Amino acid sequence: SQQGEEDPQALSIQEGENATMNCSYKTSINNLQWYRQNSGRGLVHLILIRSNEREKHSGRLRVTLDTSKKSSSLLITASRAADTASYFCATGGNNAGNMLTFGGGTRLMVKP
Amino acid sequence: NAGVMQNPRHLVRRRGQEARLRCSPMKGHSHVYWYRQLPEEGLKFMVYLQKENIIDESGMPKERFSAEFPKEGPSILRIQQVVRGDSAAYFCASSLGPSTGELFFGEGSRLTVL
Repeated sequence: SQQGEEDPQALSIQEGENATMNCSYKTSINNLQWYRQNSGRGLVHLILIRSNEREKHSGRLRVTLDTSKKSSSLLITASRAADTASYFCATGGNNAGNMLTFGGGTRLMVKP
Repeated sequence: NAGVMQNPRHLVRRRGQEARLRCSPMKGHSHVYWYRQLPEEGLKFMVYLQKENIIDESGMPKERFSAEFPKEGPSILRIQQVVRGDSAAYFCASSLGPSTGELFFGEGSRLTVL
């Protein structure tokens, strides 16, 4: 089964609202990353949070990590129509290499 | 500084034919990862390669699939005797080192098996 599972699977909001996506995982991790994928395109890295960090910001993005609950959240503030995309969390373990395990994604639609 | 380049972007094959997907990593990157994505799903890890070596192929089907990353040239994902279930988007990613964190993805190769 997937290491990371996103919740909700789909989210529809109005422009200007905040969007919150959650990710749960099962095993110990070195880091957790969030990626964005526009329809028909490749994945773009958004933010990486290490296992010893609790919160990280990047522009309108805020990521939290709770290793005790094995969960993370991605908050997009003041959403825009251009934020419409699928968002995936990915976990990197203690194994050698950058092999990431991806969740099923949250499909976000921001209505203008 | 070109990103990860994948070709072809779209490939149509009939059942039983072979599919070859190519990936040129970012300049200076020697670690390549292949992932498969079915519609409306996340990415499933297939194989991790360094130059001339397969490091982890735990996600690759045992039959019909192979991957290589030669000393010169792109990484190749080869699917022999394709079946309809192989239809998917195949993404290649690269990284600078084994534990640098971020992966850089190509735009993917979309395989359709008729």
